[in-house]
Amino acid sequence: DVKVTQSSRYLVKRTGEKVFLECVQDMDHENMFWYRQDPGLGLRLIYFSYDVKMKEKGDIPEGYSVSREKKERFSLILESASTNQTSMYLCASRFRQGWGTEAFFGQGTRLTVV
Amino acid sequence: AQSVTQPDIHITVSEGASLELRCNYSYGATPYLFWYVQSPGQGLQLLLKYFSGDTLVQGIKGFEAEFKRSQSSFNLRKPSVHWSDAAEYFCAVGALGGGYQKVTFGTGTKLQVIP
Repeated sequence: DVKVTQSSRYLVKRTGEKVFLECVQDMDHENMFWYRQDPGLGLRLIYFSYDVKMKEKGDIPEGYSVSREKKERFSLILESASTNQTSMYLCASRFRQGWGTEAFFGQGTRLTVV
Repeated sequence: AQSVTQPDIHITVSEGASLELRCNYSYGATPYLFWYVQSPGQGLQLLLKYFSGDTLVQGIKGFEAEFKRSQSSFNLRKPSVHWSDAAEYFCAVGALGGGYQKVTFGTGTKLQVIP
């Protein structure tokens, strides 16, 4: 089974802190994604990476950056956390850009910024 | 750009009753369509997907979905709901953009199952 593991289930951080959310997948997937999930808004794509050291902005990249130094790991960075970044963050991976391949999701990190 | 609409934010059904969750998409060509389920506190799990072929797709946990091109719909159905089906359901559409497949999710439908 594909496993996508997010390093924390719950995080509480202070405003202005630099926050790292880590995601690791064990199936050699090329593509990895970070989504933000908010009630009534569904999943919104923050950033994605289609290969090591490659990254592309999604729909809501402002206030975030990412790092992908190794194929299995994709990190989301909040440079200076703000209260409006309180949310559930979901990481996903996918085999490749092939048409129709589905994504596999981690369990999510619920981040609270106070 | 593609889009997905799930018109029902919340649905309540009785255990054993049938279920239909609505999904409408917007995309110029034939899309790739997905239904995912999210149990409380969990990530998303794929229920089924469609791109071509038979327009009635069978998925896991007894779910099925029917693609209707004329109505731009991909509704999810289950003939008899179980209490364990209580979860949030997301419809998604995959489309080509910039040389890669971009997936857009709907806002979700939360299903409550009552005894």
